[in-house]
Amino acid sequence: EPEVTQTPSHQVTQMGQEVILRCVPISNHLYFYWYRQILGQKVEFLVSFYNNEISEKSEIFDDQFSVERPDGSNFTLKIRSTKLEDSAMYFCASSIQGGEQFFGPGTRLTVL
Amino acid sequence: AQSVTQPDIHITVSEGASLELRCNYSYGATPYLFWYVQSPGQGLQLLLKYFSGDTLVQGIKGFEAEFKRSQSSFNLRKPSVHWSDAAEYFCAVGAGGGGNKLTFGTGTQLKVEL
Repeated sequence: EPEVTQTPSHQVTQMGQEVILRCVPISNHLYFYWYRQILGQKVEFLVSFYNNEISEKSEIFDDQFSVERPDGSNFTLKIRSTKLEDSAMYFCASSIQGGEQFFGPGTRLTVL
Repeated sequence: AQSVTQPDIHITVSEGASLELRCNYSYGATPYLFWYVQSPGQGLQLLLKYFSGDTLVQGIKGFEAEFKRSQSSFNLRKPSVHWSDAAEYFCAVGAGGGGNKLTFGTGTQLKVEL
């Protein structure tokens, strides 16, 4: 069964460093998403992406964040200068045509 | 703005007992509704979804949910809980169109007593 994959599973970084979280969505899906979940809190939407551009973003997704689909398979989330409060689990998701979204296992980001 | 309320933060049931997890949503049009389950350290697995049609939807692992527009609710049920059902359950609402975000509730942590 096709699934969304994410690497790395855990990323530890120093405050102020740049990180890139990687995702491989399901191959025939057209819409891609990033969500985050701060420990003990609910899952929050960050950004959605379609046809090589952002279709919607939340207030959380400020200038420190960017997304890219550098090739036909990967979908990345970059945080330019990490802050302590960026520590969270980051989930990538994909969907064929909106509606049901399939989630990856997540990347746990720890900012020290 | 869309929102989801899950009023129960923690629920404990005995194995074999029935289960109902509550979810209320706020959305201006016909919502797309979902229940996801998250085991510790794991990602989100879709249990079931409601887009339209029959208001009682069946999902995986013996779960079902009923959409009640008049009550803005989408409660999750299971007639007989198994110890492996212990996890966190999230209700979510979305617009359904391409690229549209899901808004999640705060989750209900289910504990199953043997």
